[in-house]
Amino acid sequence: EAGVTQFPSHSVIEKGQTVTLRCDPISGHDNLYWYRRVMGKEIKFLLHFVKESKQDESGMPNNRFLAERTGGTYSTLKVQPAELEDSGVYFCASSQEGGINSPLHFGNGTRLTVT
Amino acid sequence: GENVEQHPSTLSVQEGDSAVIKCTYSDSASNYFPWYKQELGKRPQLIIDIRSNVGEKKDQRIAVTLNKTAKHFSLHITETQPEDSAVYFCAASVTGYQKVTFGTGTKLQVIP
Repeated sequence: EAGVTQFPSHSVIEKGQTVTLRCDPISGHDNLYWYRRVMGKEIKFLLHFVKESKQDESGMPNNRFLAERTGGTYSTLKVQPAELEDSGVYFCASSQEGGINSPLHFGNGTRLTVT
Repeated sequence: GENVEQHPSTLSVQEGDSAVIKCTYSDSASNYFPWYKQELGKRPQLIIDIRSNVGEKKDQRIAVTLNKTAKHFSLHITETQPEDSAVYFCAASVTGYQKVTFGTGTKLQVIP
């Protein structure tokens, strides 16, 4: 099966610009997650979709971040306007069911650099 | 919320030696503890997991142990090989909840 795909793999933008990251989960996976890893720190939870609904967005840093999953398929994460501290690797993950019987399948990540 | 601490942040071992990575968690309700391996430039991948009703689990050269009382869990890699070089993340979550909390990662280098 095709894995979780993310686009772009790298993005370099200036402070104040807008960037949109895209994630295509594994087909049939209702659960979609966004995570972020800032250099040397933990992979930090941002939010969780079940189909098109936001199940948990407690990890979203602030209102400059907007995630959508229209139609319950792919998801986008928009950062507007970007700040220096937004730099990091943004991972998307999906799982088929909830709970421990469905491990997370990660994408390769998008490395975002804000200059 | 849950807090997961992971040590060491970097670890270098000679090929053939063992490597141990340790994690602690704060939420006594956590009952699922996966470990992910991220090779350079690649995605994190699940390598082994353990549930709170089990104290130890092995899969070939890797093993995980869990001490619920102390809220400690560890990853043990025996007979390390160069291809074991990667960043390893421990994590914790509660059954029925989707939010997985990760540690800060351990960069393991196996020296040939």
